[in-house]
Amino acid sequence: NAGVTQTPKFRVLKTGQSMTLLCAQDMNHEYMYWYRQDPGMGLRLIHYSVGEGTTAKGEVPDGYNVSRLKKQNFLLGLESAAPSQTSVYFCASSPRGASSGEFFGPGTRLTVL
Amino acid sequence: AQSVTQLDSQVPVFEEAPVELRCNYSSSVSVYLFWYVQYPNQGLQLLLKYLSGSTLVKGINGFEAEFNKSQTSFHLRKPSVHISDTAEYFCAVSESLSGYNKLIFGAGTRLAVHP
Repeated sequence: NAGVTQTPKFRVLKTGQSMTLLCAQDMNHEYMYWYRQDPGMGLRLIHYSVGEGTTAKGEVPDGYNVSRLKKQNFLLGLESAAPSQTSVYFCASSPRGASSGEFFGPGTRLTVL
Repeated sequence: AQSVTQLDSQVPVFEEAPVELRCNYSSSVSVYLFWYVQYPNQGLQLLLKYLSGSTLVKGINGFEAEFNKSQTSFHLRKPSVHISDTAEYFCAVSESLSGYNKLIFGAGTRLAVHP
């Protein structure tokens, strides 16, 4: 039981490049989330999904897109990376939403030059 | 909208001393409250949560937290810390967003335990 996994662990992009971050969970959770973590700001929600085929915007969605084609996977895309998107990205999942607590992946450290 | 304030960005403490990490949230309506711990270069791990019932909540690794509705606080405590407790701790509160609960996180408190 791997829990929540994220690919890749590290990535360096040039401004304007695109990339996709992959999150996978093997706990059959309905809810999945993408956060970004920046120093002194805690975690901020980018997008979330309450089930396969559904996605919704969080606090800071601009510049990101997501897809949840399969229940176990939640993809985060950056179409045209900007230096302001340099951050650590965390994926999380939960069985029943916030009240059940969230299970986090190990994170992806992204640097945009 | 909910907000979470963690009053101390850093807390240094000696090993075996008690510690309290403070957390206040903005709303007095019914909420769910959480503490998460993040060890270096890792994701967040749930320490404990308050959903309802007893205001004193016990979590993993000997931590506990007390929900105080009148003061809108949810402070985290441990009577005797270990070097291995060195980590960043995040308080979070749930908020309803488009009919679904999501978490609002505080900025974090870095706990440094010294020998």
